[in-house]
Amino acid sequence: TQLLEQSPQFLSIQEGENLTVYCNSSSVFSSLQWYRQEPGEGPVLLVTVVTGGEVKKLKRLTFQFGDARKDSSLHITAAQPGDTGLYLCAARVSGNTGKLIFGQGTTLQVKP
Amino acid sequence: NAGVTQTPKFQVLKTGQSMTLQCAQDMNHEYMSWYRQDPGMGLRLIHYSVGAGITDQGEVPNGYNVSRSTTEDFPLRLLSAAPSQTSVYFCASSYGWTSFFNEQFFGPGTRLTVL
Repeated sequence: TQLLEQSPQFLSIQEGENLTVYCNSSSVFSSLQWYRQEPGEGPVLLVTVVTGGEVKKLKRLTFQFGDARKDSSLHITAAQPGDTGLYLCAARVSGNTGKLIFGQGTTLQVKP
Repeated sequence: NAGVTQTPKFQVLKTGQSMTLQCAQDMNHEYMSWYRQDPGMGLRLIHYSVGAGITDQGEVPNGYNVSRSTTEDFPLRLLSAAPSQTSVYFCASSYGWTSFFNEQFFGPGTRLTVL
């Protein structure tokens, strides 16, 4: 069974602080996605990483895919209250099934 | 485009009742799926479909049925509701499923409570 473990599960920080969220697995994945979910809404895709060691930036968010393609991280610089939400990593199950598995999520609260 | 729509938004059932959660998309997406979201457990795949007439089981299929008679619609049926099925249900769709970059578009969710 392929699992994605996210840490931390909860994070409460002050506006302006930096933070990193981790997504780890013992399995190798061909790609990994990060989604963000706001209360009462469905998740929305932030980024897809496919190459080991790949780094992608989306404004103040930096995403990295591990060299061995077993882990990923999301770093937020100078967090703002608008970054508050649930961050989920997701990866495609091996084989051509189209199945996605999700990590349990990291709830981020940024206080003004 | 309305994207992915789900009805109802909220539902309360009694144990043993059956119901259908509706999901529709207007983006001509091949791939559709149903997830449930429970606190601390992320999203778990219930059933998915790679095209009209084709469905398959996900991680937690027991107690749920699906069918895909059209590209647009993918209803989820609860056969005999149980309190363990209290959850938030999300329907999602994507253009395909073979590309690394396939983006899942999610509906707004249905919050289901089983008493």
